[in-house]
Amino acid sequence: AQKVTQAQTEISVVEKEDVTLDCVYETRDTTYYLFWYKQPPSGELVFLIRRNSFDEQNEISGRYSWNFQKSTSSFNFTITASQVVDSAVYFCALDYGGSQGNLIFGKGTKLSVKP
Amino acid sequence: GAGVSQTPSNKVTEKGKYVELRCDPISGHTALYWYRQSLGQGPEFLIYFQGTGAADDSGLPNDRFFAVRPEGSVSTLKIQRTERGDSAVYLCASSLVGATSYNEQFFGPGTRLTVL
Repeated sequence: AQKVTQAQTEISVVEKEDVTLDCVYETRDTTYYLFWYKQPPSGELVFLIRRNSFDEQNEISGRYSWNFQKSTSSFNFTITASQVVDSAVYFCALDYGGSQGNLIFGKGTKLSVKP
Repeated sequence: GAGVSQTPSNKVTEKGKYVELRCDPISGHTALYWYRQSLGQGPEFLIYFQGTGAADDSGLPNDRFFAVRPEGSVSTLKIQRTERGDSAVYLCASSLVGATSYNEQFFGPGTRLTVL
């Protein structure tokens, strides 16, 4: 079965703290894609990153970084020096090889960054 | 260019009524997806169109739900005999489909459906 687990329901940090959002996935397929989306209070899902199953290199984009480890089936997301504007719900999602592009989402982690 | 648009943004209806939710994908995007997001949950897949045909409707919860895309562009999600449990945000996404590259989905703002 295909599944995405985001064990952290809510996280609250103070501005400038670093925070890591966890994502664990399950799939039997060898080819798959993993995603992170941000959903601010306005509601629209904003694409952050896509990673395919053959590329385990970590990625950094500004204050954002992602750690993909196939050995633990994890794709964690770290925000460095968090800002109030980072407050949102963050979703990890899986597009497994047998799908036709439909995404399987985790339940999301609500991040609150306080000034 | 314009993103994915959905109308209405909010819909309040009474139990038992029929509703239609509309999605305008990004121009040129051949793939269109509908998802449903309940409060506190991640989006759940409902149906996927490739062009005019429903390539995968395995996520539709029951036969009260139906979707069409007659001209391969705009899509309408139709819900008959609405129930209170249908209350959710209905999200639409579209993507290009290419042979050699992965095309991510772009999401619309959603339609918030409330069934009283």
